[in-house]
Amino acid sequence: EVQLVESGGGLIQPGGSLRLSCAASGFSVSTNYMTWVRQAPGKGLEWVSSFYADGRTYYADSVKGRFTISRDTSKNILYLQMNSLTAEDTAIFYCTKASNYGGNSGVLLDWGQGTLVTVSS
Amino acid sequence: DIQMTQSPSSLSASVGDRVTITCRASQRISSYLNWYQHKPGKAPKLLIYAATSLQSGVPSRFSGSGSGTDFTLIISGLQPEDFATYYCQQSYSTTFTFGQGTRLEIK
Repeated sequence: EVQLVESGGGLIQPGGSLRLSCAASGFSVSTNYMTWVRQAPGKGLEWVSSFYADGRTYYADSVKGRFTISRDTSKNILYLQMNSLTAEDTAIFYCTKASNYGGNSGVLLDWGQGTLVTVSS
Repeated sequence: DIQMTQSPSSLSASVGDRVTITCRASQRISSYLNWYQHKPGKAPKLLIYAATSLQSGVPSRFSGSGSGTDFTLIISGLQPEDFATYYCQQSYSTTFTFGQGTRLEIK
């Protein structure tokens, strides 16, 4: 059974840094396409970053240069390092595993329960 | 980046109603379009993938159509558990984008 458990969220001051973790079980992060999605309070879902199995990484313009996605294949964990945080980064962050359905490799079937990041002084 | 525009942004309906939500892409995305249901405090749930394919376990009252730039999610015979927010998502490009969401409320 696929399980994704996020951790690392919390209250952080503007300009600070935080690292989110996503512990995966039931599959290997090294051979799957992993993605972070966030939802700010009262707002919709926003794609943040993706890590392809072949090592390619992609970022939304809103986080490019500030966030870094990485993985530890020995621990089967996906990370999101977030630097220079602002109030606009306040959100629930979800870790997702993308599945390939009939050539559509971006189907977000499996989701964690999310971790809340609050950026405030 | 590909922009996804959903309409309406909110919708009031009654149990048993038929509801239609539309999603338009800013460029052609073939059938790389997925639909999700999101309830407060829960993880989003995949309903439809590749524009028209019903995810296993999802009730058949949900259906999707469209290709290219225009897509539709239809819920036939609303049930109380269907009141939620619905999102479309394009997976045509490596930088995914979601629609802004459609909040479905009880009339």
